[in-house]
Amino acid sequence: DSGVTQTPKHLITATGQRVTLRCSPRSGDLSVYWYQQSLDQGLQFLIQYYNGEERAKGNILERFSAQQFPDLHSELNLSSLELGDSALYFCASSVVPGEGTDTQYFGPGTRLTVL
Amino acid sequence: AQSVAQPEDQVNVAEGNPLTVKCTYSVSGNPYLFWYVQYPNRGLQFLLKYITGDNLVKGSYGFEAEFNKSQTSFHLKKPSALVSDSALYFCAVRDRDGSARQLTFGSGTQLTVLP
Repeated sequence: DSGVTQTPKHLITATGQRVTLRCSPRSGDLSVYWYQQSLDQGLQFLIQYYNGEERAKGNILERFSAQQFPDLHSELNLSSLELGDSALYFCASSVVPGEGTDTQYFGPGTRLTVL
Repeated sequence: AQSVAQPEDQVNVAEGNPLTVKCTYSVSGNPYLFWYVQYPNRGLQFLLKYITGDNLVKGSYGFEAEFNKSQTSFHLKKPSALVSDSALYFCAVRDRDGSARQLTFGSGTQLTVLP
């Protein structure tokens, strides 16, 4: 157990809908990362937050957004969902972002299925 | 830009034999390198990382990896494979001298240890 928690574990929804995924980082970690894992795209970095502020952006669609709250938990919002958004969404956390020695610890993931 | 290649989608090895999972990287500067393992329906678990210093890095569960700068490689090794080592392995890189703050992951190698 990495100490990173994600809810829900599974989510099934329909095209066009909006969902929110939640992540709580390890105790003491200030930075949160979101990744998408799909069979065709592999593991793709979406976005990173550090202490409430956006730090880096990757291959995140405009339909997706995220935020990190004062208690350091983070939410990833996915809207106007399409079939291709079906994937595993991982959250990771680390103590200090962007410092190369920093290790990211991953949560168990949320499996999103869009029907 | 930073990138990682895992040239083998699948590696099969007999239990008790040594195993190697290959990884090569490309960065403009010097690399920080990581290995993660993913078991079915689980998140990624950190195995080991190379920051600087000794080219042979020891990690969790008896795994080790050798950093080779001239060959830009960071292969994962274990002297004696266990059936329980069967999982999906990811190599990741961050450019120590670059502007990218996030990890770039390889496509993953499925390791199967045969009893």
